[in-house]
Amino acid sequence: ETGVTQTPRHLVMGMTNKKSLKCEQHLGHNAMYWYKQSAKKPLELMFVYNFKEQTENNSVPSRFSPECPNSSHLFLHLHTLQPEDSALYLCASSPGLGQTQYFGPGTRLLVL
Amino acid sequence: EDKVVQSPLSLVVHEGDTVTLNCSYEVTNFRSLLWYKQEKKAPTFLFMLTSSGIEKKSGRLSSILDKKELFSILNITATQTGDSAVYLCAVELSGGSNYKLTFGKGTLLTVNP
Repeated sequence: ETGVTQTPRHLVMGMTNKKSLKCEQHLGHNAMYWYKQSAKKPLELMFVYNFKEQTENNSVPSRFSPECPNSSHLFLHLHTLQPEDSALYLCASSPGLGQTQYFGPGTRLLVL
Repeated sequence: EDKVVQSPLSLVVHEGDTVTLNCSYEVTNFRSLLWYKQEKKAPTFLFMLTSSGIEKKSGRLSSILDKKELFSILNITATQTGDSAVYLCAVELSGGSNYKLTFGKGTLLTVNP
């Protein structure tokens, strides 16, 4: 069983929909991350949480809203997305900031 | 602006060949360099490098960092079809309470039987 799980694995949504991506880690880590991977672009760091506190918001539009209720769970709430937001969204966790990150399988998002 | 550049962008080899993947960087406040292998979706961790000139090895894979020339290489010897993947290089930055990890675009390696 992988240490980092993500649901759903695939998601199709319209521009007016509201949806949430979920990430859960079973590794006892304290830091969690959201990444966006678009076609032909480098992996982009979106948000960083350390001990449930957001430490980084990498200039992400407000239509993406993260939530970290505890060190094991991380959500990414989506609303009024644009077609260019279609991408693979990856979650990762690490024991602490600056330590090896382990990735989940990702959610493939398509915005129509 | 922090930059991580990987080369080549893609590479096709035959089983048994040895390959060298390159990663160069221009960043402020370097902390470490990481290599990941990405098959299908999730990147899997390979190496973390913080010190210059110390080779890290894992089976047929090895990597080394040159902090003076600002690059790292990832070597794969006796390649197998299972090595086919995108190899990602990332540089971790330090700086106060902020955390930054910048990725390169990756090298797509295809190993043919």
